[in-house]
Amino acid sequence: DIQMTQSPSSLSASVGDRVTITCRSSQFISRFLNWYQQKPGKAPNLLISVASSLQSGVPSRFSGSGSGTDFTLSISSLQPEDFATYYCQQSYTSPPTFGQGTKLEIK
Amino acid sequence: QVQLVESGGGVVQPGRSLRLSCAASGFTFSRYDMHWVRQAPGKGLEWVAVIWFDGINNYYADSVKGRFSISRDNSNNTVSLQMNRLRAEDTAIYYCVREGRISGYPLFDYWGQGTLLTVSS
Repeated sequence: DIQMTQSPSSLSASVGDRVTITCRSSQFISRFLNWYQQKPGKAPNLLISVASSLQSGVPSRFSGSGSGTDFTLSISSLQPEDFATYYCQQSYTSPPTFGQGTKLEIK
Repeated sequence: QVQLVESGGGVVQPGRSLRLSCAASGFTFSRYDMHWVRQAPGKGLEWVAVIWFDGINNYYADSVKGRFSISRDNSNNTVSLQMNRLRAEDTAIYYCVREGRISGYPLFDYWGQGTLLTVSS
């Protein structure tokens, strides 16, 4: 199975900050990389697909980049509603696998 | 609008069985592969199983292979997960998830609200 490793596992930041979360795959996955946001008590919500394609309705302050094995999710100016846990997920091969998550907390 | 509504969770003793169901609406169910993804309390996301749009093929995580069985009824727009020989480590919220595609790239585009399974004596 392809292992997905996110860093950091947790992150404290302030409203207005720019933050970057990294996701690394154990094997080449091209651009088969998705990002999800999960708020407490809620199901995950798809933010970005194909490494960099923003889903409809997702604010433009979110962006994704990368290909191959290294990927990033950036939030350009944190808003209060962005404090959540973020997961990357590869869809290159079965089984689909997720990173362990990055919890973004308010400083 | 797309809706996925899970049901069937609860508290069950180790070794017993339980069946989860997911009712889908708002899209042409028979055109989509459907998955179950679970999340243990305070933990990350773990893929569990997939069933193809036509019900012909299904695949499982190693952790549940031989114990869980996924099925679907395209006439009633439902997908189910039969869970046998349950273990404490199966305790989790179980999400029913639709697999969408963008330019051929698979993604999990719609998730249900989840149903909680607790395996405990």
